[in-house]
Amino acid sequence: AQSVTQLDSQVPVFEEAPVELRCNYSSSVSVYLFWYVQYPNQGLQLLLKYLSGSTLVESINGFEAEFNKSQTSFHLRKPSVHISDTAEYFCAVSASGGSYIPTFGRGTSLIVHP
Amino acid sequence: DGGITQSPKYLFRKEGQNVTLSCEQNLNHDAMYWYRQDPGQGLRLIYYSQIVNDFQKGDIAEGYSVSREKKESFPLTVTSAQKNPTAFYLCASSLVVLSGNTIYFGEGSWLTVV
Repeated sequence: AQSVTQLDSQVPVFEEAPVELRCNYSSSVSVYLFWYVQYPNQGLQLLLKYLSGSTLVESINGFEAEFNKSQTSFHLRKPSVHISDTAEYFCAVSASGGSYIPTFGRGTSLIVHP
Repeated sequence: DGGITQSPKYLFRKEGQNVTLSCEQNLNHDAMYWYRQDPGQGLRLIYYSQIVNDFQKGDIAEGYSVSREKKESFPLTVTSAQKNPTAFYLCASSLVVLSGNTIYFGEGSWLTVV
């Protein structure tokens, strides 16, 4: 079984500042990792995912996440945030190589202040 | 446009009543899911279906029922046996249940017990 921990329930930050949302996972097997974003009163959308290959993955809107196997982490970063980035962010993990449904973390609320 | 449609967006239920949430997808996906979202608890899997006429319990299936008579449709019934049904419910789908596949979400339905 796998589990995922998002260490911060809320992260307040000022516009144009950098941000890091932390995600750690636990699994006895190889994993796939995901970040989803949820804007207020909407469903979730995939932001980026790590399946294999380069440990640094990027999204089209400037977010990036790095898979760190030794630290069992998949932190999400953005060098300069915008007001429009205000949302709930969910990290998810699934065991690789089979028919496994991702387990989601509890979410981190990113609040960007002007 | 392809996507997942959930209805109604807001639903009020009296205690002791059953209520059914609708979910329709036109993505031609085989797999469909129902999640429950509560503040600070992330997403919890209620039921999922890999193919028509087949479904499996998730982590919190008690008090819920589903059917999968058509590929496009996966309705969720919240029965009177569910002790604390007030929550945000998310329907989702993916091509198949396979690790690494992206899960696509609907806009969600708010259920309030009054």
